[in-house]
Amino acid sequence: ETGVTQTPRHLVMGMTNKKSLKCEQHLGHNAMYWYKQSAKKPLELMFVYNFKEQTENNSVPSRFSPECPNSSHLFLHLHTLQPEDSALYLCASSQDSIAANQPQHFGDGTRLSIL
Amino acid sequence: GQQVMQIPQYQHVQEGEDFTTYCNSSTTLSNIQWYKQRPGGHPVFLIQLVKSGEVKKQKRLTFQFGEAKKNSSLHITATQTTDVGTYFCAGHGGGSYIPTFGRGTSLIVHP
Repeated sequence: ETGVTQTPRHLVMGMTNKKSLKCEQHLGHNAMYWYKQSAKKPLELMFVYNFKEQTENNSVPSRFSPECPNSSHLFLHLHTLQPEDSALYLCASSQDSIAANQPQHFGDGTRLSIL
Repeated sequence: GQQVMQIPQYQHVQEGEDFTTYCNSSTTLSNIQWYKQRPGGHPVFLIQLVKSGEVKKQKRLTFQFGEAKKNSSLHITATQTTDVGTYFCAGHGGGSYIPTFGRGTSLIVHP
């Protein structure tokens, strides 16, 4: 039990589908992150939210749309994805303001496959 | 932008041998964190180093932060099969609060 729960664990979708990834943290943290992990690339930071406000968008294509309704929940809305978007999508949270460089707690990830 | 290089990408060892992974940053870091990801799992935080020249130990794992705060290493003594996984470093530097992850070193331990 990591304290960060991601659903679904696996997702297969076509390029024209719309789906959402969900992340929930039970740690009382204030900062949340989305990462993309591909087989041949370093862990790529996608979005950062601090106290529900988006503070970082790391040049992510608009087919990925994040939503953070409160400090405990984070969503990643997906539409018209490409095959190269197939990857493990990891959610993470950290305790304090992200400026404090706190350790990150990761969820188990969603393994996404685009057909 | 800040880059964190991590080597080697893969390391095969016989059980009982030692293992070391190295991280080098293009800029001075304020701190560096280390994470371990088991196969099929997610990254798990191991430790954070902040001070120049800092050395920390966790049982068979020894973490070092360089004097210039631009490099770090993780050394495992007498590896065990439970050490299998990918070890990532993540550095904060250049006034950025966003961590830059290295590519990771995948450790394979042969029994």
